[in-house]
Amino acid sequence: NAGVMQNPRHLVRRRGQEARLRCSPMKGHSHVYWYRQLPEEGLKFMVYLQKENIIDESGMPKERFSAEFPKEGPSILRIQQVVRGDSAAYFCASSRPGARNEKLFFGSGTQLSVL
Amino acid sequence: ELKVEQNPLFLSMQEGKNYTIYCNYSTTSDRLYWYRQDPGKSLESLFVLLSNGAVKQEGRLMASLDTKARLSTLHITAAVHDLSATYFCAVDLYNTDKLIFGTGTRLQVFP
Repeated sequence: NAGVMQNPRHLVRRRGQEARLRCSPMKGHSHVYWYRQLPEEGLKFMVYLQKENIIDESGMPKERFSAEFPKEGPSILRIQQVVRGDSAAYFCASSRPGARNEKLFFGSGTQLSVL
Repeated sequence: ELKVEQNPLFLSMQEGKNYTIYCNYSTTSDRLYWYRQDPGKSLESLFVLLSNGAVKQEGRLMASLDTKARLSTLHITAAVHDLSATYFCAVDLYNTDKLIFGTGTRLQVFP
């Protein structure tokens, strides 16, 4: 049973370009969470999605950032017109319905670097 | 706003010694997590603590939770170099599945 898969592992973009980060949850998991980690800091919650629904996006910047988790395929975190301040590690985690007391499993992350 | 604070932020300790990392949080929650992160890597789940007085142990690490004091501890016994990493605690905000992470404690164990 593969873990939470994220790709790409590293992503380099120039200012103004778009970044697309993908997350495939563990098998049987339909809940996905995105977190951002700046250097030397803890993770900050961005968005919580279930299949085809955004449950909580309170941690996501209002502009340029969007997330989706379609019925088929991975969850996508999209950052439009990237700026240097978007450079960070973006982690995805997944869980299955009704599993609130279980460990949350994280993917290996995508390191975004904006030049 | 929920705040999660860890101390110390940085810990350098000699192999064989014992030490405790503290995690304080500012509002009610009955789920607390401990994670380990190696440089450039993802987070490895260590413990999930679900109730007041919960204590869990794995190898040289032991975690406890006091929900009344809003305090969790991660105790390291007879440290070894392999334990060098950054340790994060995280609290479930009002049981919403949204984790609020602490600032992290960077642990270095030297011979």
